[in-house]
Amino acid sequence: EAQVTQNPRYLITVTGKKLTVTCSQNMNHEYMSWYRQDPGLGLRQIYYSMNVEVTDKGDVPEGYKVSRKEKRNFPLILESPSPNQTSLYFCASTLGGTQYFGPGTRLLVL
Amino acid sequence: QKEVEQNSGPLSVPEGAIASLNCTYSDRGSQSFFWYRQYSGKSPELIMFIYSNGDKEDGKFTAQLNKASQYVSLLIRDSQPSDSATYLCAVSGTGNQFYFGTGTSLTVIP
Repeated sequence: EAQVTQNPRYLITVTGKKLTVTCSQNMNHEYMSWYRQDPGLGLRQIYYSMNVEVTDKGDVPEGYKVSRKEKRNFPLILESPSPNQTSLYFCASTLGGTQYFGPGTRLLVL
Repeated sequence: QKEVEQNSGPLSVPEGAIASLNCTYSDRGSQSFFWYRQYSGKSPELIMFIYSNGDKEDGKFTAQLNKASQYVSLLIRDSQPSDSATYLCAVSGTGNQFYFGTGTSLTVIP
């Protein structure tokens, strides 16, 4: 089954404690993205990757890092989380402009 | 900052009616336009995309694009309670990024 998986689905952490949210897709897509979704602000692209070892900033990259060492995986790293990064995060894998979203990770930073 | 604007709603229509959702975008170089549906607590899923001016029909959905007016719309015929969701307009432009509107909440009243 074609899918995008994210882990963890829910995470509560404290300010400054580094965390990684994993994302994996089994569709062999080259383009992958990370989004955050906040009430009233919609989905905003954090980072995207056109292919292995190629990443670019989206609209809201501050406080986030990504890496793309393999085509299937695109982890999102928060090196020093802050409360304003409390949000719902989606990973997406894209083919021909159509985005396939993961189930989402709900993050609370205390 | 590329902007995609949607009326947040909520939009309420009776069962069986046509629901009309609208979206405007600011980047005149935008080339691809997408409509996603998002149920509460779920990830967005693609309904349809449109690239060329005019209408595109897919089942009960019709997307309409007017690049001169920078306007894209989605019509949902024979609306059912199961169509109640938030509808997201997304645009990809001259770069490699995607921009989403904040979504329109649709409620179909039985």
